[in-house]
Amino acid sequence: AQTIHQWPVAEIKAVGSPLSLGCTIKGKSSPNLYWYWQATGGTLQQLFYSITVGQVESVVQLNLSASRPKDDQFILSTEKLLLSHSGFYLCAWSPDWGRYFGPGTRLTVL
Amino acid sequence: AQSVDQPDAHVTLSEGASLELRCSYSYSAAPYLFWYVQYPGQSLQFLLKYITGDTVVKGTKGFEAEFRKSNSSFNLKKSPAHWSDSAKYFCALEIGTGSKLSFGKGAKLTVSP
Repeated sequence: AQTIHQWPVAEIKAVGSPLSLGCTIKGKSSPNLYWYWQATGGTLQQLFYSITVGQVESVVQLNLSASRPKDDQFILSTEKLLLSHSGFYLCAWSPDWGRYFGPGTRLTVL
Repeated sequence: AQSVDQPDAHVTLSEGASLELRCSYSYSAAPYLFWYVQYPGQSLQFLLKYITGDTVVKGTKGFEAEFRKSNSSFNLKKSPAHWSDSAKYFCALEIGTGSKLSFGKGAKLTVSP
């Protein structure tokens, strides 16, 4: 069975500081991986997706970047956080259809 | 462009009643449709999907949904509702395998004991 892990569970960061969020998936080779962002009380917005190592497509950037350094790893980062970056970040993988989501990282920017 | 509408942002009912959460979509071709549930403070969990075939699909936690092409709807149902069903429910549309998954704004369901 596939398992998806995200780290950290939660972060409290200052405006202007850097950020790195990670996601790994086990039990699935060459998965399609996605990053989603959810504002508090809001819906989900797809940020990035990747179908293979070294390849990332941006859907909505929000002054963030993503990388896929390994087949099972997807990283979301920025050099300077904004207040608007606060929210819930979800990594997901896709079988042929739909998405299976990781547990998420809750980010608070102060 | 495809879109998903969940017209009822908040739904409140009593335990034991029947629940139905509405979802309509806009897409000219055959859609892939999904329902997800999000409990407070948690991630999204998959409930059920419609890809093709039977228009009534059953999912986890006793939920089912009916795909109606005639009015572009994919409503989620459960009877009876239980207080533990209280959560936020999202309908989603995918137009092809691995392509963008568009979410509705969600419906917050409150089931009172």
